[in-house]
Amino acid sequence: AQSVTQLDSHVSVSEGTPVLLRCNYSSSYSPSLFWYVQHPNKGLQLLLKYTSAATLVKGINGFEAEFKKSETSFHLTKPSAHMSDAAEYFCVVSDRNFNKFYFGSGTKLNVKP
Amino acid sequence: DAGITQSPRHKVTETGTPVTLRCHQTENHRYMYWYRQDPGHGLRLIHYSYGVKDTDKGEVSDGYSVSRSKTEDFLLTLESATSSQTSVYFCAISESTGPYGETQYFGPGTRLLVL
Repeated sequence: AQSVTQLDSHVSVSEGTPVLLRCNYSSSYSPSLFWYVQHPNKGLQLLLKYTSAATLVKGINGFEAEFKKSETSFHLTKPSAHMSDAAEYFCVVSDRNFNKFYFGSGTKLNVKP
Repeated sequence: DAGITQSPRHKVTETGTPVTLRCHQTENHRYMYWYRQDPGHGLRLIHYSYGVKDTDKGEVSDGYSVSRSKTEDFLLTLESATSSQTSVYFCAISESTGPYGETQYFGPGTRLLVL
């Protein structure tokens, strides 16, 4: 069975410093992986997705993620945090048939001025 | 923004009453999903649809039913609401599925409180 673990429920960084949000997945096949962002009282928006084309995936707003099969990880990074990055971030894995999606429990990112 | 609306946006109901939430899309996407969001659990899939009258269960389907009689509408029904179904419900759509990682587009959510 597939599952997703987001290793930190809360991350706090200062504006202008790097961001690292960690995600590990468990899967017996090669899944699609996604990161979504949810700003307060808003719906979810896709940041980026991994589909086996390239292990380093670039997304919107300067975010990127690296797929590491040996570590079963898909960590999200950004070189320099901005106040507008404060939100909750979800790592998502697809099922074998790519019909269903499993969300991690989320990481809330706080950005301090 | 993808054309997805959810109604109602907020609802308060009592235990034991039936509740229907509606998701409406204007994108003509084939796939539609219902999720619930609870603190500490992220989003969990309730049911999804892969076409008109074609639906399947997700990981938390007990107590919920769905119907899709038109491409643009996907209804979620709580037959007899319980307090454990208090949650925020999100509808999502995608054009297709497959190994290329089709994007899901999410609606604004419905806040349901069951007293």
